[in-house]
Amino acid sequence: EAQVTQNPRYLITVTGKKLTVTCSQNMNHEYMSWYRQDPGLGLRQIYYSMNVEVTDKGDVPEGYKVSRKEKRNFPLILESPSPNQTSLYFCASSLVNSPLHFGNGTRLTVT
Amino acid sequence: DQQVKQNSPSLSVQEGRISILNCDYTNSMFDYFLWYKKYPAEGPTFLISISSIKDKNEDGRFTVFLNKSAKHLSLHIVPSQPGDSAVYFCAASEGGSARQLTFGSGTQLTVLP
Repeated sequence: EAQVTQNPRYLITVTGKKLTVTCSQNMNHEYMSWYRQDPGLGLRQIYYSMNVEVTDKGDVPEGYKVSRKEKRNFPLILESPSPNQTSLYFCASSLVNSPLHFGNGTRLTVT
Repeated sequence: DQQVKQNSPSLSVQEGRISILNCDYTNSMFDYFLWYKKYPAEGPTFLISISSIKDKNEDGRFTVFLNKSAKHLSLHIVPSQPGDSAVYFCAASEGGSARQLTFGSGTQLTVLP
């Protein structure tokens, strides 16, 4: 089944403890992206990647890192999480100029 | 400042009637518009799109209308069904991109049986 898989689905952590949210797609998509969803703000792009080893900042990149060493994986790294990074995170992927396919989300709480 | 606005956080409609979801944008460079639908505990899924060279696009029960002069688009669902109950996000992009999207804040549609 074609899908974008995020892990974990739920995560509760404490301020300053490094964490990684994984994202993997099995559709051979060259484009991948991370969004966060917050009440009243919709989805905002954090980082995106046009292909392997090519990443760029989105609208809200502060406090996040990404890497794209393989085509299928695009992990989101929070080196020192803070409470304002409590949010619902979505990974997405797509082929050239095709609509985004989203994963089912990761709900992160930072206390 | 949000460039894509969905001013109605929620909408309730009776089954069988028309649902109209609205979206306004401020960036005149936007030329491609999409609607995504999101159920609880799932990611958004693509529903329908429209290019700025058109003013209407139809797909089954779903029709999107674009009014460029007013910087306004709307999604019509006819007839509405209980399974349509979801959050609907409007999104826009420049350069005809389906990927570099600016999203609105979403509208929760509830279709009452």
